[in-house]
Amino acid sequence: DAGVTQSPTHLIKTRGQQVTLRCSPKSGHDTVSWYQQALGQGPQFIFQYYEEEERQRGNFPDRFSGHQFPNYSSELNVNALLLGDSALYLCASSLGWSEQFFGPGTRLTVL
Amino acid sequence: GQQLNQSPQSMFIQEGEDVSMNCTSSSIFNTWLWYKQDPGEGPVLLIALYKAGELTSNGRLTAQFGITRKDSFLNISASIPSDVGIYFCAGQLAVGGSEKLVFGKGTKLTVNP
Repeated sequence: DAGVTQSPTHLIKTRGQQVTLRCSPKSGHDTVSWYQQALGQGPQFIFQYYEEEERQRGNFPDRFSGHQFPNYSSELNVNALLLGDSALYLCASSLGWSEQFFGPGTRLTVL
Repeated sequence: GQQLNQSPQSMFIQEGEDVSMNCTSSSIFNTWLWYKQDPGEGPVLLIALYKAGELTSNGRLTAQFGITRKDSFLNISASIPSDVGIYFCAGQLAVGGSEKLVFGKGTKLTVNP
């Protein structure tokens, strides 16, 4: 049973560029949440997708957007990258009342 | 963004010692969770607590949901080298499920053999 998978593992971008990160949820899960984890910090909630709609959103600017596909996989897009966007981006999936399971993350470095 | 107050920030202990860490919040949560994160990995759920006052064990790990619903603690007994990692507390407003998680800053645990 495959767990949550994320791609790519690492990514290097320059300021002003745009990036797309991908997440495939654990088999049977229908909800995907995205978190940003800066170095030395706990994960911060970005947003959550359910039934292809954004259901909850944290305190992140509109430069952060997402999408969920009919197969429940999800993308996180960040436009106009800033140095401060450098972080580990974590995807978590869940179903109904189940706990959230996390993927290994994508390490984004903005130069 | 919102974060929980987690302490201590780091701990250096000898193998076999017991460990205790805690988490407090100014807000009430209806679910408390404890995660462990190894380098290059995502957080892995250790224990979930759903009722105020609840005490739950998972092997050598024991966690409690504070009676005020604003705090929780995690104890690790008889530590071993593989306990090394960063431990995070997280709170949820909902009782379990897909509600967003609010995390602490983590406790980095080092175990000397």
